[in-house]
Formats: sequence, C-alpha cells, structure tokens
Amino acid sequence: DSGVTQTPKHLITATGQRVTLRCSPRSGDLSVYWYQQSLDQGLQFLIQYYNGEERAKGNILERFSAQQFPDLHSELNLSSLELGDSALYFCASSVGSGVGQPQHFGDGTRLSIL
Amino acid sequence: EDQVTQSPEALRLQEGESSSLNCSYTVSGLRGLFWYRQDPGKGPEFLFTLYSAGEEKEKERLKATLTKKESFLHITAPKPEDSATYLCAVPIYQTGANNLFFGTGTRLTVIP
Repeated sequence: DSGVTQTPKHLITATGQRVTLRCSPRSGDLSVYWYQQSLDQGLQFLIQYYNGEERAKGNILERFSAQQFPDLHSELNLSSLELGDSALYFCASSVGSGVGQPQHFGDGTRLSIL
Repeated sequence: EDQVTQSPEALRLQEGESSSLNCSYTVSGLRGLFWYRQDPGKGPEFLFTLYSAGEEKEKERLKATLTKKESFLHITAPKPEDSATYLCAVPIYQTGANNLFFGTGTRLTVIP
C-alpha cells in the first residue's frame, strides 16, 4: 500500500460528459502529480502541484484541469470527454517538489468512455 | 530529445533463471533514474532510485545498476511472484518540477 488514495476506482461515462477524479496524497507529501496511462502511449505526465500551486504541465489537454486544495488532496477534472480519453489515470505524490524525489503512486482510476 | 528506451519488451523466464532488463536513456543532465514495478490493474510501485554512474542498489532478488548511458535491473533466481511489468523513468527537468518520463516497460513472466 503506497498510501496514495484515488477515487473512484472505475468510472464509466459517455462522450461529452464531465468527470472529476480525486486523489489523497501520502501523509506528509506536499507534491501531487497526475499521469495518464493508455495502451498505446504508456505513462504520460499531465500536471504537478506543490502545496496548492501548479508547478509543471505536461501533455495535458485544455479540456482537462486540476487543482490542489488546502488539505493537499487534488482533483483532476476532465470535460467534453472523447472516446480517446479512455485510460487509467494515476495520481502520485512526493514529499517535496525537488527533482529526483521518488514518487509514490495510487492504484488509479480506470475511465471508460462509451 | 530526451528519451528512455527499455528492452526487451517482454521476457519469459523459468523459475530460478536469472536475467537482466535494460533501460537506455538520453537526457541532458541526469538527475536520477527510477525503477518501478507495475502489476496488472495496479499503480507503479517504487523500487529504486539511482543518482550517479556506478551506483548499485539491491532489494531481495533485484539489483539495479547505473552507467552513464543505461541502467540494468538484474533479477537473480526469479520466482513467479516477480512476474510484473518493470518500468524505468527519468525526471524531465523543468524549473521547480519533478515530472517523470517513463519508458514503455518490460513485461516479465516467470514460469514455475
């Protein structure tokens, strides 16, 4: 158990809809990262937050947004969903934001778009 | 362009048959190389971080090594429970950030 909690585990919805994925980092970790894992792309970095502030953006679509709240949990919002958004979405956390710190992953949310 | 390449894509071993997985990287200014294990339907599980060429780390039947161009994950006398996908990753440095660039992984199957 990594200590990172993600909910829900599974989400099934239709094209055009909006969903929110939630992540609680390990106790004491201030950084939260979101990754997308699809069969053809592997694990892709989306966005990082550190202590409530955005720190880095990767290949995140404009339809996607995230935030980190004062209690350090984070939410990833996906809107105007398309079939291609079907994937596993992972959250990871680390103590700080410094380069080279190990990240610990949750077990992900499996998003299926019908 | 920064890149991480893992080989082989898949590996089948008999129980007890030792082998090595490879992770080649081309990044400007390595700031650590990470190994993760991922079981089906689960998130990646952190195994090791290596920071400099020549560094080695061990955990049970796994040993990770690092050179200036590649890292190896050596598996000694594997057991069926070692079956998983093994991922390596490097930080892609951005100011104040620590996001990871992952290889596509090696899917290991250990046959009893």
